[in-house]
Amino acid sequence: GDSVTQMEGPVTLSEEAFLTINCTYTATGYPSLFWYVQYPGEGLQLLLKATKADDKGSNKGFEATYRKETTSFHLEKGSVQVSDSAVYFCALNSGGSNYKLTFGKGTLLTVNP
Amino acid sequence: DAGVIQSPRHEVTEMGQEVTLRCKPISGHNSLFWYRQTMMRGLELLIYFNNNVPIDDSGMPEDRFSAKMPNASFSTLKIQPSEPRDSAVYFCASSLGDNLRNTEAFFGQGTRLTVV
Repeated sequence: GDSVTQMEGPVTLSEEAFLTINCTYTATGYPSLFWYVQYPGEGLQLLLKATKADDKGSNKGFEATYRKETTSFHLEKGSVQVSDSAVYFCALNSGGSNYKLTFGKGTLLTVNP
Repeated sequence: DAGVIQSPRHEVTEMGQEVTLRCKPISGHNSLFWYRQTMMRGLELLIYFNNNVPIDDSGMPEDRFSAKMPNASFSTLKIQPSEPRDSAVYFCASSLGDNLRNTEAFFGQGTRLTVV
């Protein structure tokens, strides 16, 4: 079945540091890939997505590239801010059930000033 | 729009009691999802409604769990009787359309349930 594995946290960085959160997946067919973010006390929000191989999703300075050969969708940001502190979830939709998202367990990021 | 609204935000109940979680989706959205989040299993889809009709309830863990959507603006998730292992954060989400490749699911803030 479908599954998503992302690096375990917590991740603690200083402001302006480079961020990478690793995500790999197993899926049937050609999934769409997503990163969701959950800020403290809030629900999950879609951060970015990519729907086919080699696509790059980007938003708010975050980027992730759909790598079919390595089944990966790593999240990166060149310079994090304190306001980026949140839990980040990698997810996929494999297309067999268009409505279903399979999530990773989440990675807590804390950015210190 | 106020977004997806869930109530209560926190619920503490004793084992054996009935618990009802509530969700108001974004107006105009025709798809509604209930997810459960635990440390061990992460986020799991419990049930999916489209146009108020349950389409996929394969994620509902057992018969103690039931969900309804009597109209387009309201859904409930009920646990009867509740058990300590039901302690989790329950999220409701809604979307316009059912293909999450083309549309976005919007999540509520969640209900943190503790069963003692």
